[in-house]
This record gives sequence, C-alpha cells and structure tokens, in this order.
Amino acid sequence: SQQGEEDPQALSIQEGENATMNCSYKTSINNLQWYRQNSGRGLVHLILIRSNEREKHSGRLRVTLDTSKKSSSLLITASRAADTASYFCATDSPSGTYKYIFGTGTRLKVLA
Amino acid sequence: DSGVTQTPKHLITATGQRVTLRCSPRSGDLSVYWYQQSLDQGLQFLIQYYNGEERAKGNILERFSAQQFPDLHSELNLSSLELGDSALYFCASSVAGQGNQPQHFGDGTRLSIL
Repeated sequence: SQQGEEDPQALSIQEGENATMNCSYKTSINNLQWYRQNSGRGLVHLILIRSNEREKHSGRLRVTLDTSKKSSSLLITASRAADTASYFCATDSPSGTYKYIFGTGTRLKVLA
Repeated sequence: DSGVTQTPKHLITATGQRVTLRCSPRSGDLSVYWYQQSLDQGLQFLIQYYNGEERAKGNILERFSAQQFPDLHSELNLSSLELGDSALYFCASSVAGQGNQPQHFGDGTRLSIL
C-alpha cells in the first residue's frame, strides 16, 4: 500500500495564485522529499525536509512537515504556467530498508 | 538533464516475451533504483542496488529481475510479459542510496505489451 497520499488529486489555478498540496504518510520517517513530474518525463527532485525540521524554503517553494500528524505540505507561490505538472511526495523509512515510497501525486494545472 | 540515461525510450512487444531495460546512472552515483509507473498504480518501487549489491526490494514480481554491473549500469529484465506489465519504467540514481539524498530520474522506458 502507498505510504504517501497526496491531496488533492488534481488542482487547477490561475497564473499568479498560490498552490498548496498536502501529503500524508503512515509510518515514522527520517526524511520526506517532494518531486515534480512533467508529462511523460522523469521525476525531478524539488526539496528534502528532515524529520527534525518543520519548514524549508527553496525559491517559490515552501515545505512544511508535521511529524505528529504525519503530514507535509508543499506551497508554490506566484504560480506560473510552467509549474503545470504532477507533484509527488516520497518518504523513506527509519527501519533501514532504504526504500522510498512515493505518493499518488497531485496533478497541478496552472492556467495562463 | 538528470544525467541518468535509460534505453530504449519505447518498447513494443507481445505477451509472453522477455525484454531488458537498461540504465546508466549519473556519474558518481553508486545506487540505482527501479520504479514502475502505471495509470492506476502510481509510482511503485521495484528494487534498489548499491555498488552492485541488492539493497532493498519492493513490489517486484518474480518474473522480473535486475542487476547492477561493476561499471554501475543496471538492467531490469522482464519475462513472460503480460498485458498488465504495460507501463513506464523509471530508473533513478543517488550518490549512496541513503534516504537523505535526492534521487535523479531518467526519462523512462515506455513498455507497451500487445
């Protein structure tokens, strides 16, 4: 079963608006990462947040992590048409298995 | 460009056949991961190798096998193919295969089973 579940499954916004995507996971983690996938392409790493961090920024991206709720959110500010893509969260496991578990993804469409 | 090369880009074959997908990791990366992405299953982790050794296994079918060679390239072998095996197969690499390192993905091999 999936460790990470993104919400919403799909999101459509106007250019310039902010987009927020959420990820929930089931077991404790060491790290959580967010990836972007443009249609038909490989995933691209966006940002990594460690379990002892609560917030992280990278350009127009802001990621938060709430380990008590087992959830993370990705905020994209001032969205652009080029941000149109699917966004996935990925979690590892502290059990030492080195596996990454990807969520089901949020499909973001930014309308120009 | 992620630096991860996957070949072929597209593969069309018939049920019952066997195929081999190839991956060259980013220069300097020792760990390789294989994933299957289909419309109804999302991105499924199959297997991970680190410096030639299997490190982690996911939902990989017995009909599938993989290996990582001394030059660090990896191959994923799929046999007795079924219609349900049609999917995008991604390879990713990371420096040392640890959870605090980003993975770099290739553009995938699109496998179509007729």
